[in-house]
Amino acid sequence: AQSVAQPEDQVNVAEGNPLTVKCTYSVSGNPYLFWYVQYPNRGLQFLLKYITGDNLVKGSYGFEAEFNKSQTSFHLKKPSALVSDSALYFCAVRDLVKSYQLTFGKGTKLSVIP
Amino acid sequence: EAGVTQFPSHSVIEKGQTVTLRCDPISGHDNLYWYRRVMGKEIKFLLHFVKESKQDESGMPNNRFLAERTGGTYSTLKVQPAELEDSGVYFCASSRGGRGENYGYTFGSGTRLTVV
Repeated sequence: AQSVAQPEDQVNVAEGNPLTVKCTYSVSGNPYLFWYVQYPNRGLQFLLKYITGDNLVKGSYGFEAEFNKSQTSFHLKKPSALVSDSALYFCAVRDLVKSYQLTFGKGTKLSVIP
Repeated sequence: EAGVTQFPSHSVIEKGQTVTLRCDPISGHDNLYWYRRVMGKEIKFLLHFVKESKQDESGMPNNRFLAERTGGTYSTLKVQPAELEDSGVYFCASSRGGRGENYGYTFGSGTRLTVV
């Protein structure tokens, strides 16, 4: 069975600094990986996905993620954090058998400090 | 296009009561999913509809949970009777096709259920 780990419950970063939210995965075969964000009182919003191709994936709101097969990681990054980036971030992997189903990590709360 | 709509946004009920959550998917999306996040834990899959048919309900916690999708449009998730451990945020998502990585899921805002 596949799994996703987000080792940090919370990440604090100063506004303007680069941010990284970590994600590692465990899956047999080629992974399909996703990042979602949940802003306060809002639903889960799709940020970006990796299916195949370039290891650096660019997504919404200036976010990007780097797929690293050898380290089984898919860390979310942004060069310069904004206060408005403060939210809950979820990494997910698509189930290899049940292609409609996502397996999520526990989520990481990102706080950007002015 | 309108997004996925869920209501109520919040519900507080007493243990033993019944609660019904509703999800209106994006028009034309045949696939509808329910997920749940218990506080501080992963978002977990509950079930998947294709039109009005349940394709996979392997994630449903127990028989106190009943999901329906009448006519392949909106869906309801009923919890009867509710227990304390049912508290959490219930998300609904829809997609046009069944392969989420191609067609993309759209999630609703969720219903925060608190059982006291």
